[in-house]
Amino acid sequence: EAGVAQSPRYKIIEKRQSVAFWCNPISGHATLYWYQQILGQGPKLLIQFQNNGVVDDSQLPKDRFSAERLKGVDSTLKIQPAKLEDSAVYLCASSLVNYEQYFGPGTRLTVT
Amino acid sequence: EDQVTQSPEALRLQEGESSSLNCSYTVSGLRGLFWYRQDPGKGPEFLFTLYSAGEEKEKERLKATLTKKESFLHITAPKPEDSATYLCAVWGTQGGSEKLVFGKGTKLTVNP
Repeated sequence: EAGVAQSPRYKIIEKRQSVAFWCNPISGHATLYWYQQILGQGPKLLIQFQNNGVVDDSQLPKDRFSAERLKGVDSTLKIQPAKLEDSAVYLCASSLVNYEQYFGPGTRLTVT
Repeated sequence: EDQVTQSPEALRLQEGESSSLNCSYTVSGLRGLFWYRQDPGKGPEFLFTLYSAGEEKEKERLKATLTKKESFLHITAPKPEDSATYLCAVWGTQGGSEKLVFGKGTKLTVNP
């Protein structure tokens, strides 16, 4: 069974630039999550989708972050414009059963 | 105030030296507690879900237990390949809404 795929694996941008991350969840998993993990911290939930709909986006900085999940499968997370404090690993996860999540390898973002 | 606190932050063991990691939580209305393992440069890997006090789960050298205020991850006769950061996540009610909150993790190093 293929795992959660994410791309790119690494990205370096300058502040005020835009960036987008892509995620393909495990086939059949209706729930998809995006997390931000800062070095030395646990993952912080940014947004949770159930199929196409948003379940929780309470911690998503909506002035600069946006996410979509078209057709209930793939998802993209965008940051526009990026700030220095957005430097982190962005993790995508999917689940079939409540919060028993399977994570992708993550995208390491460096904002200079 | 942190809702999920893991201790210790870091733990060094000799191969074969058993120990326990702690995860304490303050969220009310616990729906589930999850343990994940995270290797450097990778996404977290799901280990266990515990739903109610008194529940226990085992996998190889790992055993997770749950009380009303905390969970323990017991590691019996660890091997160097058990070295990783172990993350605890709690799904519960906070401020009237359901949330999943990760702790900061315990970094375990097992020396041969």
